[in-house]
This record gives sequence, C-alpha cells and structure tokens, in this order.
Amino acid sequence: QQQVKQSPQSLIVQKGGIPIINCAYENTAFDYFPWYQQFPGKGPALLIAIRPDVSEKKEGRFTISFNKSAKQFSLHIMDSQPGDSATYFCAALKGNNAGNMLTFGGGTRLMVKP
Amino acid sequence: KAGVTQTPRYLIKTRGQQVTLSCSPISGHRSVSWYQQTPGQGLQFLFEYFSETQRNKGNFPGRFSGRQFSNSRSEMNVSTLELGDSALYLCASSRGQVTGELFFGEGSRLTVL
Repeated sequence: QQQVKQSPQSLIVQKGGIPIINCAYENTAFDYFPWYQQFPGKGPALLIAIRPDVSEKKEGRFTISFNKSAKQFSLHIMDSQPGDSATYFCAALKGNNAGNMLTFGGGTRLMVKP
Repeated sequence: KAGVTQTPRYLIKTRGQQVTLSCSPISGHRSVSWYQQTPGQGLQFLFEYFSETQRNKGNFPGRFSGRQFSNSRSEMNVSTLELGDSALYLCASSRGQVTGELFFGEGSRLTVL
C-alpha cells in the first residue's frame, strides 16, 4: 500500500522555470512532511520540511505548499538552475512519537536544461 | 563534523550467501535507520535503532536483521540472499528525537548474482 503518492515521475524544465512536484498522502496520522534531494551516487539530503499547521514555507528558492484538507503538498523550485537537476522525494512522518520512520513517495527525476 | 559513513560501498554476492553492512552515524546521533532503495520500489524503510533497541521495523522478511552497538554504530545483515535483494542500502542517522530529519550516508550497493 503506497501511503504517499508522488507525481510526476520525471520532469524537464528550462533554466529559470518553476518545476512543481506534487505529493498526496492517505494517513492523517502523518504530521511532518520533509522533502529530500538526491544526486546520483549520493544519499538523499534534507531540503525543506513542513508541518500541517502551516500552509506554506519558503527556504531560498524552494517553497512547500500544504493543503491539509486535500491531504496534498507540493514543492516549487523558483528560478530553477541546472544544478537543481536531481531526484526529489517527498516523505511523511507519523506523529505518534514512535521514531523517525519515514514513508517516502516514489521520487521525481528533475532535469533543468541550460 | 564527519557525515554518516557506510561500508562497504560496493559488493557483489551470489544467491544464498549472507552479507553484513556497516554504518557509522554522525557523532552524537543516537538513532540509526536503514532503507532499501531500488528503481522499482523506491525508498523503503527497513528498521530503526535507538540506544541499541529496535524502535521500528518495516515490512521485510526475517532474513533482514540489524543491530546497534553502544557507540551507536549499526550493522544490518541479510541472510540467504536472493536476486531481488540487489539494491542500494542506505543508512541514516538522527539526533534521536522524533524529528524526521535524517542524515543519509552514500549507501552500500549490493549486487546479488
């Protein structure tokens, strides 16, 4: 059972464009939603995260939008650069204080063309 | 501050063998998690250890096991390897609080022939 669904699987944009990656979750017990960025040959690295009591969070060129009623959240990358080309994963964490077990979406491979 | 270190980085095994992977977390981090990454299934949670105790376990068969030592270093073992176990095995550490902020190593790439 895929508890976090991510789309699209791949995305190509031109430099300066605004790629948008969407995620939807089913379990209302999730209460922390991080995004991870992974470059080839590297492990995922935390990019930005949000809790459901906030509708939007910005960190540099990265913005998360959160819609609690729809159980959806998305990542926007402003003024995208070729160096942003990577695979992006959304994730969710249950708020039952049971640990750091993350449920990941399937990933989006982003290519930013110069 | 050194990051999460995983050894070995690459290894090749044959079906039926067993393998042990090692992970050294960031200094001061008490939680260590393991994930399996494959092109078909993505990132799947294996287990998490905190203060030498398994705190969570994912939906994997009993052939997958792990442990954590008193210095927070962790090992995972896969016995009776199957072709489908070929994957990148990622270790991640966290300060131990329930933060969801995981610091990943570069992984151990296992190929089963």
